[in-house]
Amino acid sequence: GQQVMQIPQYQHVQEGEDFTTYCNSSTTLSNIQWYKQRPGGHPVFLIQLVKSGEVKKQKRLTFQFGEAKKNSSLHITATQTTDVGTYFCAGNAGNMLTFGGGTRLMVKP
Amino acid sequence: GAVVSQHPSRVICKSGTSVKIECRSLDFQATTMFWYRQFPKQSLMLMATSNEGSKATYEQGVEKDKFLINHASLTLSTLTVTSAHPEDSSFYICSASRGRIYEQYFGPGTRLTVT
Repeated sequence: GQQVMQIPQYQHVQEGEDFTTYCNSSTTLSNIQWYKQRPGGHPVFLIQLVKSGEVKKQKRLTFQFGEAKKNSSLHITATQTTDVGTYFCAGNAGNMLTFGGGTRLMVKP
Repeated sequence: GAVVSQHPSRVICKSGTSVKIECRSLDFQATTMFWYRQFPKQSLMLMATSNEGSKATYEQGVEKDKFLINHASLTLSTLTVTSAHPEDSSFYICSASRGRIYEQYFGPGTRLTVT
């Protein structure tokens, strides 16, 4: 079945440093979604990427979808303490959405 | 984004009893609703997918007779944990979507503790 791997599992950064999480799918995706879950909260939809090679930005967050539509990344520039949380990617293939394991970001002030 | 509510937010029940959790999409019609289970500091484990008016599709390893799902309308889905046991204690989260390929809007979750 479809598998979505996400790395790293955990990341500690100093406030102001950059952060990147990577998502890799075993199958070609029709689209990929990114979610953020704050500690004690529920996942919140951030963005959806559909096109091969697509790049989207939301303020300090940059999302990329690979040319082969099998991988994606989320990059945060100059992290802030408000960025703390777990970031999940979710890949859509064959009408099935599969979540990655998430990357837990911790930011030291 | 769309708003999804979940009730109750926390519930403590005795072993052997049943618990019903409600998931409502408040400002859009959710063709599809999903039920997840999440263990501490872990990812979301999809339990089942339900479409309004039809039977839920359960993921492999999820007992359909234990986790009863009803999607009676485009705004309401319920999950009933029957004959609950301590190992059923977990965080249960629902999400609502216009369809399987669209983004999902998550409810705030229900913390179930079975004593």
